[in-house]
Parts: sequence; C-alpha cells; structure tokens
Amino acid sequence: AQSVTQLDSQVPVFEEAPVELRCNYSSSVSVYLFWYVQYPNQGLQLLLKYLSGSTLVESINGFEAEFNKSQTSFHLRKPSVHISDTAEYFCAVGTGNQFYFGTGTSLTVIP
Amino acid sequence: KAGVTQTPRYLIKTRGQQVTLSCSPISGHRSVSWYQQTPGQGLQFLFEYFSETQRNKGNFPGRFSGRQFSNSRSEMNVSTLELGDSALYLCASSFGGLSGNTIYFGEGSWLTVV
Repeated sequence: AQSVTQLDSQVPVFEEAPVELRCNYSSSVSVYLFWYVQYPNQGLQLLLKYLSGSTLVESINGFEAEFNKSQTSFHLRKPSVHISDTAEYFCAVGTGNQFYFGTGTSLTVIP
Repeated sequence: KAGVTQTPRYLIKTRGQQVTLSCSPISGHRSVSWYQQTPGQGLQFLFEYFSETQRNKGNFPGRFSGRQFSNSRSEMNVSTLELGDSALYLCASSFGGLSGNTIYFGEGSWLTVV
C-alpha cells in the first residue's frame, strides 16, 4: 500500500518569508499527486495537482510544487507567505484507484 | 457549477444510535468517496462508490456502510455509534475513479457522539 509522509506537523513562518512544506510518498509507480488546503471548519480545497507533463506545477495564489520521481517527493513551496495562508495543508497520492493522505502540516503565518 | 454538498453539517448523537449522512456530488461526477477526519488519525479513507457499486473500502468495521443511488448521490451510515466515531466526515466526488482524477470535497459533516 502507498504511504504519504508529511514530516512537519507544524510550520510557523513570518509573513513575507518563504516556506516549504515537505511531502514524500512510498512508491513512484503511476502516482498522481495533490496538495489540498483546509481552512478552519471547512472541507478540503484543491491547491494544485500533478497528473502528467511538467514536473513543476503552480497554483493561482503563488504556491508551487515539484514532482521529483527519484526522490519520491512533492514538496510545496511559496516564496512569500501571507497571513491568509494560515491553514492545514494535506499532501495526497492517487494510485491504484485509492487515495492516500498525509497527516497534514499546520502552517501558521506570524505577522 | 454547484460543488459537493453534504448534509447535515452538524449533528449530535448518543452512543448506540445510528446516523445517516448524505452527499450530493458535483453534477456529472460518478465517483463518490468518503473520509473520516479526526485529530488523532488524520484523514482516513472509508469507501468509494462508482455507478452505484462499492469499488474500494478502507479499514473500518462493518458498522460503517454506504450506498450510492442512480443519480450518484450517496449516503453513509454508521450503526451502534461509539464515542470514537466523533469526527468530521468528508465526502468527495470525481468524474472518474480515485486514480488520475481530481477529487473535490464537500464542507463535511461534523458528528459528535455523546
């Protein structure tokens, strides 16, 4: 079975500083990769996804993630965070008609 | 296009009771999957339905069941509720299955068991 690891459970960062949220998965065979964001008391919203093609994918609000097959990673980055980015971030892998989530990273942006 | 709709949003039940949660997927989506989210266990896959058939099931006891109707709407049922069933239950839909397709989530149903 696939496993998804988000090593950092909590990441505090100052406003306008860069951030990287790490995600590793166990198998690179035919995987599809996603980052979802969850704001308090809400469901999950798709942030960005890698299905095929360019290994660097971007979201409309400045986040980007790069699919690294050799390192089985899909880290999420943003060069300058905003207060509104404070939320829980989940990495997810779709493979073999199953969907696997990491345990989540709580990003807190400090003014 | 309307998103995934879950009802009810909040409910409180007593141990031993049963509960039914409802999910209306995005129009045209045939796959509906359910997840349980708790602070201790994170997000866990419950099951997936596609065209009224359960295709995948997570590692949950038989008290957790579901079904999908011909219009793709889905319900999940939890019988003989336990305190540990208190959680946010999320429904998600996708056009195809869970691999290679983006899944879209509803707002969730908050279940509290007392």
